[in-house]
Amino acid sequence: AQKVTQAQTEISVVEKEDVTLDCVYETRDTTYYLFWYKQPPSGELVFLIRRNSFDEQNEISGRYSWNFQKSTSSFNFTITASQVVDSAVYFCALSTTPQGGSEKLVFGKGTKLTVNP
Amino acid sequence: DTAVSQTPKYLVTQMGNDKSIKCEQNLGHDTMYWYKQDSKKFLKIMFSYNNKELIINETVPNRFSPKSPDKAHLNLHINSLELGDSAVYFCASSQFHYNEQFFGPGTRLTVL
Repeated sequence: AQKVTQAQTEISVVEKEDVTLDCVYETRDTTYYLFWYKQPPSGELVFLIRRNSFDEQNEISGRYSWNFQKSTSSFNFTITASQVVDSAVYFCALSTTPQGGSEKLVFGKGTKLTVNP
Repeated sequence: DTAVSQTPKYLVTQMGNDKSIKCEQNLGHDTMYWYKQDSKKFLKIMFSYNNKELIINETVPNRFSPKSPDKAHLNLHINSLELGDSAVYFCASSQFHYNEQFFGPGTRLTVL
């Protein structure tokens, strides 16, 4: 069975601090995909990144970076120099190889990040 | 242009009523989904359709019936609404083999 654990329920930081959101996953599949989504207070779900299980390179996009480590089954997300607009709930998700052409995203419970001015 | 749209955005209704939520995507994707987000923000898949064919049905009560008239649309009809159905329902779409799912804005359903 697939499972995603985001142990941090809520994090509160002051603007310009760096913050890391943890994500640990479980799957028996050798091919899988990991995702991060952002849900700001307005409620929509915004896709941030997809990483497949064969690509362990870290990725940086502006102030965002992701650290994928298969050895620890973790896919952590770091925001550098956080801003108030980063305040949101962040979801880590896992999907495995398609069955009949349809992937199922299994979500963690989310981490609520509050960035205070 | 909105990629994945849902109507209505808010739905308030009485217990026992029947209601529908509509979803449309203009991304040309072949797979569409319904997810439910409960009051604790937990997101769980309900259904997925690929080329109008039901692929995933995650032990959802049969009061929930999805319908896909074509690849671009996936509607959700709910019969005999119960208090526990109150949630935000998200529609999503993806293209097979690309995996990332794009979500609609959500429909907040409140059952009184």
